Amino acid sequence: AQSVSQHNHHVILSEAASLELGCNYSYGGTVNLFWYVQYPGQHLQLLLKYFSGDPLVKGIKGFEAEFIKSKFSFNLRKPSVQWSDTAEYFCAVNAQETDKLIFGTGTRLQVFP
Amino acid sequence: GAVVSQHPSRVICKSGTSVKIECRSLDFQATTMFWYRQFPKQSLMLMATSNEGSKATYEQGVEKDKFLINHASLTLSTLTVTSAHPEDSSFYICSARAGGANQPQHFGDGTRLSIL
Repeated sequence: AQSVSQHNHHVILSEAASLELGCNYSYGGTVNLFWYVQYPGQHLQLLLKYFSGDPLVKGIKGFEAEFIKSKFSFNLRKPSVQWSDTAEYFCAVNAQETDKLIFGTGTRLQVFP
Repeated sequence: GAVVSQHPSRVICKSGTSVKIECRSLDFQATTMFWYRQFPKQSLMLMATSNEGSKATYEQGVEKDKFLINHASLTLSTLTVTSAHPEDSSFYICSARAGGANQPQHFGDGTRLSIL
């Protein structure tokens, strides 16, 4: 069965620190990969997505993610976080064959000035 | 672009009441809409997938007679929780998508349902 795991449940950083949030999935077929962000009191918003091509994808607000097929991973990175990046981050995987979007449990990021 | 409106944002009602939640895609046509449920400190769990003009596909363990889904047009889907009970209290979120599996879903703000 398809599943997604996010290793970090709660991350606390100071502004300007670098960020990497882990995401691993289990599914052997073709996948579409997403990172969503949920700012306090707001709905889920798409940060970036991967469907095919260059495994390093760039999203909004300086975020990027790298798809490593051999590791079934799609880690999210940002070189220098800001206080405004404080939010909950969800990795999600859609298997092409089932067309079901499976979410990880989310990572709560707190950035202190 | 790609705005999804979900209404109401919060519902508090007595046990036994039926509650309808609307999900609208405001600036695009959604060939597929999805309904999720989120429990505290847990991830979103897919309840059902609906395509315009056809019956919804429910995930295992989701009662279709309890959670009625109607996707009458390319911009509107509704979820009705029938005869709601306290265990149905949860956060319900809809999403809408134009196109296939390689397109992103766009999410509504969610509905907090509290059954007394």
